[in-house]
Amino acid sequence: GAGVSQTPSNKVTEKGKYVELRCDPISGHTALYWYRQSLGQGPEFLIYFQGTGAADDSGLPNDRFFAVRPEGSVSTLKIQRTERGDSAVYLCASSLYGGTYEQYFGPGTRLTVT
Amino acid sequence: GNSVTQMEGPVTLSEEAFLTINCTYTATGYPSLFWYVQYPGEGLQLLLKATKADDKGSNKGFEATYRKETTSFHLEKGSVQVSDSAVYFCALLVNSKLTFGKGITLSVRP
Repeated sequence: GAGVSQTPSNKVTEKGKYVELRCDPISGHTALYWYRQSLGQGPEFLIYFQGTGAADDSGLPNDRFFAVRPEGSVSTLKIQRTERGDSAVYLCASSLYGGTYEQYFGPGTRLTVT
Repeated sequence: GNSVTQMEGPVTLSEEAFLTINCTYTATGYPSLFWYVQYPGEGLQLLLKATKADDKGSNKGFEATYRKETTSFHLEKGSVQVSDSAVYFCALLVNSKLTFGKGITLSVRP
């Protein structure tokens, strides 16, 4: 079956602009996660959804970052007033449920802020 | 807080060599432990996992044992292949959140 998909695969934007990154989880997965991976580093947790609600958003770096999952499936990560330090690969993962269920990762969106 | 420390890389080995990649962790609670792998041009894939102390995870010839006394989860393979060339990440899972190490690049030459 289809895995986790993310669009776009690459996004280049100018400093100060607004961007949206989309994640389509595996069908039937109730939990969805966003991580950010900077060059040479491991992924860092941003936010975790269980169904439509954000169960844990403790990893969002500041209030410029926001994520939604209105129907409990597709999720959008929104970044306002982008800064050069936001440049990274943004990874989405999904799992059947939260807890210790395996997280399946998408290919990521590479965001470059110029 | 939770953290994962991996040995510094990169690592270059000849085919059929023995591989050890060290991983230690600090965690509150009782983490599950994972090794993820990222092959060139591909996304993160789960390689193996262990959910409690003394469990051994294994897959594709790789093994790792959850050692609570040394807070370690070292990855081993007896005979590496060129196709094992990739970036390897150690990670722990607590409260649905994965915490990753920095990753280590393994290159295997023929």
